[in-house]
Amino acid sequence: GAGVSQSPRYKVAKRGQDVALRCDPISGHVSLFWYQQALGQGPEFLTYFQNEAQLDKSGLPSDRFFAERPEGSVSTLKIQRTQQEDSAVYLCASSLTGNENTGELFFGEGSRLTVL
Amino acid sequence: EDKVVQSPLSLVVHEGDTVTLNCSYEVTNFRSLLWYKQEKKAPTFLFMLTSSGIEKKSGRLSSILDKKELFSILNITATQTGDSAIYLCAVGGGADGLTFGKGTHLIIQP
Repeated sequence: GAGVSQSPRYKVAKRGQDVALRCDPISGHVSLFWYQQALGQGPEFLTYFQNEAQLDKSGLPSDRFFAERPEGSVSTLKIQRTQQEDSAVYLCASSLTGNENTGELFFGEGSRLTVL
Repeated sequence: EDKVVQSPLSLVVHEGDTVTLNCSYEVTNFRSLLWYKQEKKAPTFLFMLTSSGIEKKSGRLSSILDKKELFSILNITATQTGDSAIYLCAVGGGADGLTFGKGTHLIIQP
């Protein structure tokens, strides 16, 4: 596709439910990043893939968060047993380069998660 | 821990004014500083700066980096209501992924 595509755009979950957020990066982009953006804050790094390899998951806030990119293209961010503090916009971004973030990131429009 | 601080956090000006947004940073192994504009949707890329003292320009927007003093500024001249947005500064350093500041919320009043 022409840009980074994320789905769903909006998700309302009851506390304790599991959710899965999908990211389709720009075709051919090597690097894929997930960020969490709370209201009024800048995006916070969650995890980074280079192709199918998850090279850094240091930003994942707890073991309830899990991300995968099994074929080096589409990625899924899964949140188990959602809590209210998980409510945020989850941004996916991709980059053409395989190096650590020296290049421009292209962001998707985000998935807004609201946990009731 | 990498740190990016933007100021002001919010700014309200009138159309036609010039604004300067600030970004200071502390990161290990600095690689690049990027500016993004975020409206209601995805952040969109404005500039990437890697070299000190070289101004990047795009229309009414310009940005410059000072690697000695560890800061960057984003200037917008002759502001228009369409410039209203959150402007994010991000720095690429020792960790994977960018470290973002909290952003400057800019409001341009007609």
